[in-house]
Amino acid sequence: ILNVEQSPQSLHVQEGDSTNFTCSFPSSNFYALHWYRWETAKSPEALFVMTLNGDEKKKGRISATLNTKEGYSYLYIKGSQPEDSATYLCASSTGNQFYFGTGTSLTVIP
Amino acid sequence: DSGVTQTPKHLITATGQRVTLRCSPRSGDLSVYWYQQSLDQGLQFLIQYYNGEERAKGNILERFSAQQFPDLHSELNLSSLELGDSALYFCASSAGGLARTYEQYFGPGTRLTVT
Repeated sequence: ILNVEQSPQSLHVQEGDSTNFTCSFPSSNFYALHWYRWETAKSPEALFVMTLNGDEKKKGRISATLNTKEGYSYLYIKGSQPEDSATYLCASSTGNQFYFGTGTSLTVIP
Repeated sequence: DSGVTQTPKHLITATGQRVTLRCSPRSGDLSVYWYQQSLDQGLQFLIQYYNGEERAKGNILERFSAQQFPDLHSELNLSSLELGDSALYFCASSAGGLARTYEQYFGPGTRLTVT
């Protein structure tokens, strides 16, 4: 079993603040890193899939980076809005297996 | 709406029983994945099918089985149910068969309660 860790576990920020969280994963047998956004009472929604060391992806105010050599990925949210409040999950894929972290719960205070 | 449908939404059954959960992938997607989310655990990958064939297997119990049909819909069969099987079961689909590189689109989930 592969240990995927996310930090912090939860985060409260003021509207307009920028924030970031971390996903750590074992770098051996790495294939891809997935980020999901999961709102309460809904299903996980795919944000990014990254495969190459140094990958950077961006979608609106949300961006992510990947370091496969040291085994971490950062997710950044610029100018947080209340609608960004959700749990952000990462998952590491090794070949044909998926291992999820436990998520970072983000609350954006208006 | 991701385009992935799951039925039923809720299911309540007794220990020892057998149930079938159904998933229809997004139009054009060939891969289907099943996940379990229990109260005390995060999202756990169970199994993946690609175009009718089993592609990857995760933490799926022997009492559980799945299949993908020619029309690409998938069913997850849970038998000899135990209280601990109570969970939210998600299905997801993706365009390709390599789990590592394709975005997955999740269905709304089936909430299973075993009493």
